[in-house]
Amino acid sequence: DGGITQSPKYLFRKEGQNVTLSCEQNLNHDAMYWYRQDPGQGLRLIYYSQIVNDFQKGDIAEGYSVSREKKESFPLTVTSAQKNPTAFYLCASNPDRRDRDYGYTFGSGTRLTVV
Amino acid sequence: DAKTTQPPSMDCAEGRAANLPCNHSTISGNEYVYWYRQIHSQGPQYIIHGLKNNETNEMASLIITEDRKSSTLILPHATLRDTAVYYCIVRGARDYKLSFGAGTTVTVRA
Repeated sequence: DGGITQSPKYLFRKEGQNVTLSCEQNLNHDAMYWYRQDPGQGLRLIYYSQIVNDFQKGDIAEGYSVSREKKESFPLTVTSAQKNPTAFYLCASNPDRRDRDYGYTFGSGTRLTVV
Repeated sequence: DAKTTQPPSMDCAEGRAANLPCNHSTISGNEYVYWYRQIHSQGPQYIIHGLKNNETNEMASLIITEDRKSSTLILPHATLRDTAVYYCIVRGARDYKLSFGAGTTVTVRA
């Protein structure tokens, strides 16, 4: 079945460490996104990529970095510069076609906790 | 900035229809209305979207007012598994992101 796989499901990080969250999709979607969700709140966009080797900052990109070397993969690195990284991280994708509109497909998320 | 307004919470009896309202008074002509839901600790799930006509699929119906300033998501026969946070989102066809607000927490009770 096609979908988005995020790993790991739970991740613990010590302060000052960088960690990388994995996002892989086999939907052949062009666009991929990273969102962050804090308890009781909606989602906020961190980064997005519409094509391979290109990505753009979202609303809260500070302290995060991404790469898009392959169409299927869009890993997110949470750096030590991110002051409050404890959150639920969601990856999403969509075909990003202009001829019609499509819904987004989301992964099941990674819950990151700083200890 | 959120472009939609939703009630923070609502209850629904199992087996009854759940009608979820959403106001989007500043919607522009090329913006779609999307509905997603998020069950606790999972990723959001796409439900339905529409531009100006009413839409129906296997999950729900979407009723958009003629002036497009508000809409209603209808879950025809709510089940306990429909308990979730429901997000109403306005997005242009060429927008690169979805802007999520706080949504409506729907609790279906037996």
